[in-house]
Amino acid sequence: RKEVEQDPGPFNVPEGATVAFNCTYSNSASQSFFWYRQDCRKEPKLLMSVYSSGNEDGRFTAQLNRASQYISLLIRDSKLSDSATYLCVVSPYTGGFKTIFGAGTRLFVKA
Amino acid sequence: IAGITQAPTSQILAAGRRMTLRCTQDMRHNAMYWYRQDLGLGLRLIHYSNTAGTTGKGEVPDGYSVSRANTDDFPLTLASAVPSQTSVYFCASSKGGMNTEAFFGQGTRLTVV
Repeated sequence: RKEVEQDPGPFNVPEGATVAFNCTYSNSASQSFFWYRQDCRKEPKLLMSVYSSGNEDGRFTAQLNRASQYISLLIRDSKLSDSATYLCVVSPYTGGFKTIFGAGTRLFVKA
Repeated sequence: IAGITQAPTSQILAAGRRMTLRCTQDMRHNAMYWYRQDLGLGLRLIHYSNTAGTTGKGEVPDGYSVSRANTDDFPLTLASAVPSQTSVYFCASSKGGMNTEAFFGQGTRLTVV
């Protein structure tokens, strides 16, 4: 079993739709969680951190479920510009450098 | 413009040749990293450096070496390239550890033939 698993997709949704991605992690000692966004043939960029209490930034909401060991990303009112690959990132311990990246979930938003 | 720069952006390399991928950052970040990204496998950590003068092995270090002589530069060397090292390589940096935001370079597309 991979340490961080994501549904690779692709998710094909119309503009204005709400879409959600889940990411599961195997190490219960994981401390820090992030979502990164990667556009085609570009470098990853931080989208948002995921806190225990949840985190909302405009149309994006991230949540953490420690009991079930997964994090989620919800995108409301999808835009064409949201089309990208979303990477789930998990740090196994505070200050740790061996951060684990998921393989990514591809999202296509169509007009 | 502050950021992290990689060179070259792409390279075709004959198997058995030595190659150094360059990475420079001007953000005075303590930590730097090298990842490779392969289809379906995501980003995998090759080597990292907590601060100038120190380095550590990541998930897939075999066949690669790094050095950190100063804060700004973190080159990655393939001593004798093999086709399985064909990949996209990303250098990244962060203020301290991966619990803070990591900034990535634009990547180097390496093909070993």
